[in-house]
Amino acid sequence: GAVVSQHPSWVICKSGTSVKIECRSLDFQATTMFWYRQFPKQSLMLMATSNEGSKATYEQGVEKDKFLINHASLTLSTLTVTSAHPEDSSFYICSARALDNQPQHFGDGTRLSIL
Amino acid sequence: QQPVQSPQAVILREGEDAVINCSSSKALYSVHWYRQKHGEAPVFLMILLKGGEQKGHEKISASFNEKKQQSSLYLTASQLSYSGTYFCGTEGADNYGQNFVFGPGTRLSVLP
Repeated sequence: GAVVSQHPSWVICKSGTSVKIECRSLDFQATTMFWYRQFPKQSLMLMATSNEGSKATYEQGVEKDKFLINHASLTLSTLTVTSAHPEDSSFYICSARALDNQPQHFGDGTRLSIL
Repeated sequence: QQPVQSPQAVILREGEDAVINCSSSKALYSVHWYRQKHGEAPVFLMILLKGGEQKGHEKISASFNEKKQQSSLYLTASQLSYSGTYFCGTEGADNYGQNFVFGPGTRLSVLP
């Protein structure tokens, strides 16, 4: 149980393109979803927390107009990197949690490369 | 604020024990432990809640001392499959359910 699917696994695109990443909880309803960014050999940096039906809460320093998050249902959240540039290249991982005090279950991540 | 983990890295021989520590400067509501292998997503190990508890699963256990704002992960009789980076994640007691922060990670290598 507790499977989270993240799609796509990897994306390579030109600078200026907008990229959408999907995160789905397949066998449970996720009241909260998290979006992280991870650089090589570093920890996961929380970008934003989203609760179904409400606006995402962004961490300090994360541009909400750059990283658009939509948590439209209890099983789906999307992250859109708008007008991506090479510095946005990274490994993006989502996680989903059913309830508070329960673990986060992670997707397999999306490797984004902007040329 | 990011919790502190120690050690940064540890190398073990198969069958040896290890302890990974996680400490925070703020009051904690919960501590989570995850293991991440290279190129893969983190995998949940266990969660410890305020109230000071210990948990264990086979040869991996953990404790949480809320007064000291510390948690420790104990790996006994380590196996090759234990290799990876271990992260603790903390939730502050002053903002229930919010402000989840991962520590910098502890890289564990188990050699045959």
